[in-house]
Amino acid sequence: ETGVTQTPRHLVMGMTNKKSLKCEQHLGHNAMYWYKQSAKKPLELMFVYNFKEQTENNSVPSRFSPECPNSSHLFLHLHTLQPEDSALYLCASRLLSNAIYFGPGTRLTVL
Amino acid sequence: GDSVTQMEGPVTLSEEAFLTINCTYTATGYPSLFWYVQYPGEGLQLLLKATKADDKGSNKGFEATYRKETTSFHLEKGSVQVSDSAVYFCALSDSRYGGSQGNLIFGKGTKLSVKP
Repeated sequence: ETGVTQTPRHLVMGMTNKKSLKCEQHLGHNAMYWYKQSAKKPLELMFVYNFKEQTENNSVPSRFSPECPNSSHLFLHLHTLQPEDSALYLCASRLLSNAIYFGPGTRLTVL
Repeated sequence: GDSVTQMEGPVTLSEEAFLTINCTYTATGYPSLFWYVQYPGEGLQLLLKATKADDKGSNKGFEATYRKETTSFHLEKGSVQVSDSAVYFCALSDSRYGGSQGNLIFGKGTKLSVKP
């Protein structure tokens, strides 16, 4: 238990659906991240928010839309995804220059 | 740019065997180095870290020493248990931001299986 929670833990959606992933931390961390973990590929950084401001978008397709309403919550809005977007989506947070702490992930399957 | 290279897996060991997972890095600055572990069905957990050359990180019987001369941060454990079966990731902090502020760059991960 790292103090970073994610919901839902599992999600199955069709290509025309719209869904959102939620991440929450009450650790007082200032930075929050979305990572994508696919089979046989390195962990991919998607988005970074620092003090609620997006500081990095790692060339992510626009069908993924992040939202960070405050420093404790992070969302990933999903729209018209493709089957190749099926993966484990990991949220993480960090305080200043310390280590990154990960949530348990959302296992996403796009049919 | 900065990068991390880990030994390819999977690694299969018998209980109580000695473990080494190699990790080397390329960085233009002075990064901090990390090992993360991912147990089946879970997210990544920080296992240990080192922030400067010659530092040794340790936790749960695992150790890794930051070797600047060989740009390495190999993970070791003297006697593995079945419960150590997991995927292990080496990572460094992007040195573009002075070594400690940047985002983490991960290796591809090494899967360890420990048999009873």
